Amino acid sequence: QKEVEQNSGPLSVPEGAIASLNCTYSDRVSQSFFWYRQYSGKSPELIMSIYSNGDKEDGRFTAQLNKASQYVSLLIRDSQPSDSATYLCAVRGAGGTSYGKLTFGQGTILTVHP
Amino acid sequence: EAGVAQSPRYKIIEKRQSVAFWCNPISGHATLYWYQQILGQGPKLLIQFQNNGVVDDSQLPKDRFSAERLKGVDSTLKIQPAKLEDSAVYLCASSLVGGTQYFGPGTRLTVL
Repeated sequence: QKEVEQNSGPLSVPEGAIASLNCTYSDRVSQSFFWYRQYSGKSPELIMSIYSNGDKEDGRFTAQLNKASQYVSLLIRDSQPSDSATYLCAVRGAGGTSYGKLTFGQGTILTVHP
Repeated sequence: EAGVAQSPRYKIIEKRQSVAFWCNPISGHATLYWYQQILGQGPKLLIQFQNNGVVDDSQLPKDRFSAERLKGVDSTLKIQPAKLEDSAVYLCASSLVGGTQYFGPGTRLTVL
């Protein structure tokens, strides 16, 4: 089982729709969860972080975390063509030598078409 | 505030040659990371430094890869000898201890 797994995609949604990106993780003691956006040929850019169960909203983005189910998701409301990118889910280790280390999923390619 | 700097941006070498990448982190960031990102995959951590000490190098192929951060600031990552499967983007990131990681632009390596 992969440590961090994302829905395989690619995901295509029309402009204005809600895009839903999902991620599961295997290390039950993980405490910190991140969503990075990566445009083609560019480096990852942090868009959301979440540490507690529930929802966290920032503008058009909502991150959802369920530690019991080991599941984290990202919702993008009113999707725009500029949201077209690869979205990377990352999980940070809880402590010891894992502290600070990010484990990434394979990424989900999102395309928002006009 | 200046971001993470990396050089070169692109490098093409033949297999069995050696190559080195340089990274300058954000000022004041004690933690520095090197990641390898193969096309179509997420970044994979190769090595993590805190100041000039290694915190985690469990996924660094030590028979051919080496990295150093001698004065706790700049870092270099070296591959010697390179293999075809080393073709990837090498990303450097930095953070405050336990803080958000910020990525540099990356170095795209092609091994022929």
